[in-house]
Amino acid sequence: DSGVTQTPKHLITATGQRVTLRCSPRSGDLSVYWYQQSLDQGLQFLIHYYNGEERAKGNILERFSAQQFPDLHSELNLSSLELGDSALYFCASSVQGAPTDTQYFGPGTRLTVL
Amino acid sequence: SQKIEQNSEALNIQEGKTATLTCNYTNYSPAYLQWYRQDPGRGPVFLLLIRENEKEKRKERLKVTFDTTLKQSLFHITASQPADSATYLCGASMDSNYQLIWGAGTKLIIKP
Repeated sequence: DSGVTQTPKHLITATGQRVTLRCSPRSGDLSVYWYQQSLDQGLQFLIHYYNGEERAKGNILERFSAQQFPDLHSELNLSSLELGDSALYFCASSVQGAPTDTQYFGPGTRLTVL
Repeated sequence: SQKIEQNSEALNIQEGKTATLTCNYTNYSPAYLQWYRQDPGRGPVFLLLIRENEKEKRKERLKVTFDTTLKQSLFHITASQPADSATYLCGASMDSNYQLIWGAGTKLIIKP
């Protein structure tokens, strides 16, 4: 158990809908990362937050947005969902968000868009 | 563009032998390389980090090398066991960058 929690574990929804994925980092970690992992692709970095501030942005679609709250939990909002958004979404946390930090991954949320 | 490449074909190794996985990078000069293990349906788990000024790093049966001339990292598992079967991911980062760039991973299968 990494100490990172993600909810829900599974999510099935329809195209055009909006969903929110939630992540609670390990106790003491200030950085949160979001990743998308599809079957035919590796881990795609979406966004990184440090202590409530956006620190780095990857290939995140405009339909997706994220936030880190004062209690350090984070939410990833996915809207106008398309079939291609079906994937595993991982949240990871680290102490400071430094390049040498170990990232601790949550169990993931499996999103299925029908 | 910056790219991290790992062998997309599964690697089949006999139990007890050494498994060697490759991570190549192009258009990029990472300062750090990290290796993670991922089991099906689960999040990656950190194994080792190596810095560009380190040639080699070891942890129990694991060894990682970093060759800046060849632009390559090798990940070795000695005395491999069926429990080592998993997908292994390579991630690269720089001091000026707050994100890891990931390879697609190599699936390792250790046969008894």
